[in-house]
Amino acid sequence: ILNVEQSPQSLHVQEGDSTNFTCSFPSSNFYALHWYRWETAKSPEALFVMTLNGDEKKKGRISATLNTKEGYSYLYIKGSQPEDSATYLCALITASKLTFGTGTRLQVTL
Amino acid sequence: EAGVAQSPRYKIIEKRQSVAFWCNPISGHATLYWYQQILGQGPKLLIQFQNNGVVDDSQLPKDRFSAERLKGVDSTLKIQPAKLEDSAVYLCASSLERAYTDTQYFGPGTRLTVL
Repeated sequence: ILNVEQSPQSLHVQEGDSTNFTCSFPSSNFYALHWYRWETAKSPEALFVMTLNGDEKKKGRISATLNTKEGYSYLYIKGSQPEDSATYLCALITASKLTFGTGTRLQVTL
Repeated sequence: EAGVAQSPRYKIIEKRQSVAFWCNPISGHATLYWYQQILGQGPKLLIQFQNNGVVDDSQLPKDRFSAERLKGVDSTLKIQPAKLEDSAVYLCASSLERAYTDTQYFGPGTRLTVL
């Protein structure tokens, strides 16, 4: 069983704070890493697909990096807003199978 | 573009009853996935279809769970009989192909409560 770990489990920040979460995994034999955002009562939404070339990905105030050698990915949110409140899931692709982490629940308050 | 549709959104049943969930993927998407997400855990892949063929069902409890994707479009997931531990959100997702960089598009999920 592949172990994909996310930390912290939950996070509570104030509007305007910047924050980041970690996704850790065995550092060998994977093809890509996906980040998803899952808001309550909505469908999980794809944020980024990180491939082995390790390029930073960015979408607005959210960015992600991948360290393939040491087996982790960071997701950064700059200037958090209440609408960023959601669970952020990472998922590792190995042999065409996608294994999710347990997620980081982010709550942004005014 | 219409998203992935799932029904029902919520279902409450008693243990040992049967239940079925339906999924309609995005038009043209060859690959369809069913996931089970138990509270406090990440989604777990139950079964993956490529068109109407099964690619991976290694984590599907085959003694009680079954799934089909007739004609390579819609899919149904059935549980018979249900157990208390089957209480979870069942997510359906689809992607264009099976490439590891393909984005999976998720439906809203079906929340199942087994009493």
